Amino acid sequence: EDQVTQSPEALRLQEGESSSLNCSYTVSGLRGLFWYRQDPGKGPEFLFTLYSAGEEKEKERLKATLTKKESFLHITAPKPEDSATYLCAVRVDSSYKLIFGSGTRLLVRP
Amino acid sequence: EAGVTQFPSHSVIEKGQTVTLRCDPISGHDNLYWYRRVMGKEIKFLLHFVKESKQDESGMPNNRFLAERTGGTYSTLKVQPAELEDSGVYFCASSHGTGYGYTFGSGTRLTVV
Repeated sequence: EDQVTQSPEALRLQEGESSSLNCSYTVSGLRGLFWYRQDPGKGPEFLFTLYSAGEEKEKERLKATLTKKESFLHITAPKPEDSATYLCAVRVDSSYKLIFGSGTRLLVRP
Repeated sequence: EAGVTQFPSHSVIEKGQTVTLRCDPISGHDNLYWYRRVMGKEIKFLLHFVKESKQDESGMPNNRFLAERTGGTYSTLKVQPAELEDSGVYFCASSHGTGYGYTFGSGTRLTVV
């Protein structure tokens, strides 16, 4: 069964303290790995799509990387406004549905 | 461009009643998806429309849920009759092509009491 696991469930950082979020996946045929950010009361906001091992993408303080088994979302020198839940999702085989992980709740303290 | 719009944002209904959720996708997006998150669980896929046709409805939990997309524009998701376990947040997403970044709406929080 296709599965996506995110860790840690929650992460508290001081402003400027860099860290990484993990998304490990066990799927039959990866067609794309997606990172989303979700703020309270809002829908998921698209950040990145990664398609193949070794691929990297960056946006401001965020950098996403992909291997054959997992993806990392690196947050460099985070700010309080980076506080949110970060969701990982995969698309597999010929299906267009996304399979989500349970998310990592990030809190960045000033 | 306007984003994906969902309404109502909140709905509280009694068990056994009927509720209809609506989603207006981004104009020109042929692909429309429904997802939901029930308490403490991850977001899960319900179904996928391509224009007005149901491409994949493998995530629909049972026949109390009916989704339509007349004319390939907006979509509705009807729950009839609602049960307590249907409570959660229902998200709609749309995309121009399949496999591109999906744009999500803010969701409808459904509470069945």
